[in-house]
Amino acid sequence: EVLLVESGGGMVQPGGSLRLSCAASGFIVSNSNMNWVRQAPGKGLEWVSVIYNDGETYYADPVKGRFTISRDNSKNTLYLQMNSLRAEDTAVYYCARESIDYSNPYYYYYYMDVWDKGTTVTVSS
Amino acid sequence: SSELTQDPAVSVALGQTVRITCQGDSLRGYYASWYHQKAGQAPVLVIYGKNSRPSGIPDRFSASSSGNTGSLTITGAQAEDEADYYCGSRDTSGHRWVFGGGTKLTVL
Repeated sequence: EVLLVESGGGMVQPGGSLRLSCAASGFIVSNSNMNWVRQAPGKGLEWVSVIYNDGETYYADPVKGRFTISRDNSKNTLYLQMNSLRAEDTAVYYCARESIDYSNPYYYYYYMDVWDKGTTVTVSS
Repeated sequence: SSELTQDPAVSVALGQTVRITCQGDSLRGYYASWYHQKAGQAPVLVIYGKNSRPSGIPDRFSASSSGNTGSLTITGAQAEDEADYYCGSRDTSGHRWVFGGGTKLTVL
């Protein structure tokens, strides 16, 4: 069974740090494009970061320079190191696998097909 | 990067057909994927690509696209379809993702 299990959420003071972990089973993280997506209370989905199978990483502007995405191939686990946390980082954080459908020779279809249950990060004094 | 725009809320009578739309520049280069999310739960993929459904998603869900607009259609909406629906795609750079603001679907 393909599964993502996340841990590491909690409450932290502004300026503090937290590391989220997302352990995968049923597939290999290093062969996949893995994302972090967050959802502030009562708000919509916001993409945060991606690590591609080739190791390239990208970040959304609000977190660039403060968050770092990484993976441990030996543990088949994805991480999000969050530093200099702000109140506006308060959200449920999801890890999600991106899959690609190559069936169309003119377009590749990109979609996030596996999501974990999410973990809550609260930044408050 | 780019943005995707969705209507905040849509309602449909039980058994009727409803269309949820998503607009943005990124959809000129990438097909939208669609997710539903019920309160307190993680998003679930319902449609991707031109019109593909993951296993377990009923065939009353379908998708279409034209220009900068993607659409999700539910033909014969059921009570269990009541949820928030989000579109998403790679952004115009091709490296990041962008999501729409979500559409709250109410089944009357």
